Amino acid sequence: SQKIEQNSEALNIQEGKTATLTCNYTNYSPAYLQWYRQDPGRGPVFLLLIRENEKEKRKERLKVTFDTTLKQSLFHITASQPADSATYLCALANNNDMRFGAGTRLTVKP
Amino acid sequence: NAGVMQNPRHLVRRRGQEARLRCSPMKGHSHVYWYRQLPEEGLKFMVYLQKENIIDESGMPKERFSAEFPKEGPSILRIQQVVRGDSAAYFCASSPGEGVYGYTFGSGTRLTVV
Repeated sequence: SQKIEQNSEALNIQEGKTATLTCNYTNYSPAYLQWYRQDPGRGPVFLLLIRENEKEKRKERLKVTFDTTLKQSLFHITASQPADSATYLCALANNNDMRFGAGTRLTVKP
Repeated sequence: NAGVMQNPRHLVRRRGQEARLRCSPMKGHSHVYWYRQLPEEGLKFMVYLQKENIIDESGMPKERFSAEFPKEGPSILRIQQVVRGDSAAYFCASSPGEGVYGYTFGSGTRLTVV
């Protein structure tokens, strides 16, 4: 069966450092992959999308990589800030079929 | 542009009652998706609808759950004869249509069954 695994439920880092979150998947061949941010009591907010034929995507302090051979995506937040503290979800998709990982809760300490 | 609107934000039902959750997609979006989220768990896909059509309901329990997206009005997720295990946050998302888009999510409805 399809499996989407995000590294560790929680990740704590110091302000200014780079946060790296991992998303691994099995038994799935997504056409594209997305990352979302979710704050407590709120719905997820779309951050970045990367297609299967793209290796890397950047948006301001965010960078996403997508390795279809390793079946893995890495999500980086550089120069992290306490305001980046949230749960980050990866989602794999083919057409309109999108499945989410359980998320990684990131805490950036001042 | 109000985004995806879900109501109510909180809903309390006694066991055996019906729950109706509403979702108005973002203006210009014709595709609606419902997801369920339990505490400390990821979003679980339930159903994908376009106007007047259910496209994929593979994630929805066969009994007690139904969804619709009529030509006019919001999408409705209906849970009949609720049980304690139905307590969760239910999120609706919308997208413009076919193709590769990020989803726009609503703030969710938190259903509590007592």
